[in-house]
Amino acid sequence: RKEVEQDPGPFNVPEGATVAFNCTYSNSASQSFFWYRQDCRKEPKLLMSVYSSGNEDGRFTAQLNRASQYISLLIRDSKLSDSATYLCVVNGGGSDMRFGAGTRLTVKP
Amino acid sequence: DAGVIQSPRHEVTEMGQEVTLRCKPISGHDYLFWYRQTMMRGLELLIYFNNNVPIDDSGMPEDRFSAKMPNASFSTLKIQPSEPRDSAVYFCASSFPGQETQYFGPGTRLLVL
Repeated sequence: RKEVEQDPGPFNVPEGATVAFNCTYSNSASQSFFWYRQDCRKEPKLLMSVYSSGNEDGRFTAQLNRASQYISLLIRDSKLSDSATYLCVVNGGGSDMRFGAGTRLTVKP
Repeated sequence: DAGVIQSPRHEVTEMGQEVTLRCKPISGHDYLFWYRQTMMRGLELLIYFNNNVPIDDSGMPEDRFSAKMPNASFSTLKIQPSEPRDSAVYFCASSFPGQETQYFGPGTRLLVL
């Protein structure tokens, strides 16, 4: 079983739609969680951290469920510019960051 | 501020040749990470350094791979001899003391023929 698992997609949604991604992790001792965004042929960039209480940044909402060991990312009112691959990242301790394979999102006009 | 700098951006080589990838982290960052990304395996951590010292190299695939960090502003990842299955995008990333956010360089696209 992979340490961090994501549905690879692709998710194809129309502009304005709401879309949600889930990610599961295997290490119950994991301490911190993140979503990174990677555009085609570019490097990953931090989108947002995921806090136990959940957090929101504009149209983006991230949630953590430690009991079930999953993380979610919700994007409301999708824009064309949201098209990218979204990587779930779990820190098992220290600087040992484990990346999921990513979920690909395409937002269409 | 300049971000993480990697060179070369693209490398095409023949099987058996030595390949050296270079990375300059963001000034002041004390962690440096080397990753490899392929369609099949996604983003894999190869090795990371803290204050120029290798901390965990368990992700290095085999002895053909080696990494060094002679000073705080420079690191290399070397593959010798290279094989076609080494073809991938290699990313370098760095992070600031006490922070988990990693800043990635633009990557080196390696193709081994």
